Amino acid sequence: DAGVIQSPRHEVTEMGQEVTLRCKPISGHNSLFWYRQTMMRGLELLIYFNNNVPIDDSGMPEDRFSAKMPNASFSTLKIQPSEPRDSAVYFCASSSIKKNEQFFGPGTRLTVL
Amino acid sequence: GNSVTQMEGPVTLSEEAFLTINCTYTATGYPSLFWYVQYPGEGLQLLLKATKADDKGSNKGFEATYRKETTSFHLEKGSVQVSDSAVYFCALGVLEDDYKLSFGAGTTVTVRA
Repeated sequence: DAGVIQSPRHEVTEMGQEVTLRCKPISGHNSLFWYRQTMMRGLELLIYFNNNVPIDDSGMPEDRFSAKMPNASFSTLKIQPSEPRDSAVYFCASSSIKKNEQFFGPGTRLTVL
Repeated sequence: GNSVTQMEGPVTLSEEAFLTINCTYTATGYPSLFWYVQYPGEGLQLLLKATKADDKGSNKGFEATYRKETTSFHLEKGSVQVSDSAVYFCALGVLEDDYKLSFGAGTTVTVRA
């Protein structure tokens, strides 16, 4: 099993640009989670999906952030426009119907200049 | 709400020393408890878990016991190695919330040869 796949691994962009982060969950998993990790705030849950449906997006910081899951094998997290304070490591995680164990991807390190 | 409080770091140890990282929690409902480990430059990996009171999770020489009476899930290892240097996160999830995880702040552990 390839595990959770995220791309890109690193992204450097300028303020105001659109950023799209991608995630492929483990095949057969039906829940997908997006987290953000910063030194100041630690690990924060941004949004999660069950069976491709967004269940809780209360952690999404602003309207500049949006997430989609068009099918069971792909999700995106988009920031438009990006700002320097969005610089962080963004993790995607997936879990099976048992739900009590999440598998994390390697993360995308985003730097907004 | 659900929250996790874990011992602040950083923690620096010599090889073969005993490691303990304290973790306490508050939760609505009956939580499952987890320890995740993050090695430098990588995503989080599940280290161990416990799903009910008095359960002991164990892996790679690490142990933690689910103590409902003290709402604690302390992580211990009897003899650490340099390769155990990492950031350790305590987390909880409850069935009623689809097991979305609430994380502690993380404890950085450095083991010196």
